[in-house]
Amino acid sequence: EIVLTQSPGTLSLSPGERATLSCRASQSVSNTFLAWYQQKPGQAPRLLIYAASTRATGIPDRFSGSGSGTDFTLTISRLEPEDFAVYYCQQYVNSPRTFGQGTKVEIK
Amino acid sequence: QVQLQESGPGLVKASETLSLTCTVSGGSISSYYWSWIRQSPGKGLEWIGYIYDSGNTNYNPSLKSRVTISVDTSKNQFSLKLSSVTAADTAVYYCARSYCSSVICFGFFDYWGQGTLVTVSS
Repeated sequence: EIVLTQSPGTLSLSPGERATLSCRASQSVSNTFLAWYQQKPGQAPRLLIYAASTRATGIPDRFSGSGSGTDFTLTISRLEPEDFAVYYCQQYVNSPRTFGQGTKVEIK
Repeated sequence: QVQLQESGPGLVKASETLSLTCTVSGGSISSYYWSWIRQSPGKGLEWIGYIYDSGNTNYNPSLKSRVTISVDTSKNQFSLKLSSVTAADTAVYYCARSYCSSVICFGFFDYWGQGTLVTVSS
């Protein structure tokens, strides 16, 4: 099984700042079969990015994804108040599908 | 707009079987892969398994011996059964749909249910 390790565990930033979240895989995620989700308290995860860099429908362009192989990054260019949440990466190249443990982006 | 809704008991006794149903509305259950995913404080998000409308299934090896996922296309529903539950199975359970383009489906999830908390009691 592919283990995904996200860092940092918590990111304390102010609105307007740039957020950079990392997801590292225990083995290569070929075809960039990696997705990112946002989760707010009491809600289901929401798809942000798939194929490492493709924004899902309706996702603002301040969210961007990059990376390949074992190292992937989610960047939020300028944090809006609604962006403070927990973010998860997920690989779908292998079964079982696996998720990272999450990065919490909190207001500083 | 596709919507998914989980239903089932919120409390299950240890050693018994957890049973949940996901009802899909606003779209057909056909030609998609449908998954169950759970989230607990201790283990984060864990994919349990999926089913295709044909009945083809794939389960997480960590749960495979205890999991059954089935589909009822006539009701636009799919279901989860998890046997011999313990406190470690206490979690919020989500149903979710895998994204499909016009030609291929992928293993990430574009629609999710709101989730239902299942607590295993001793």
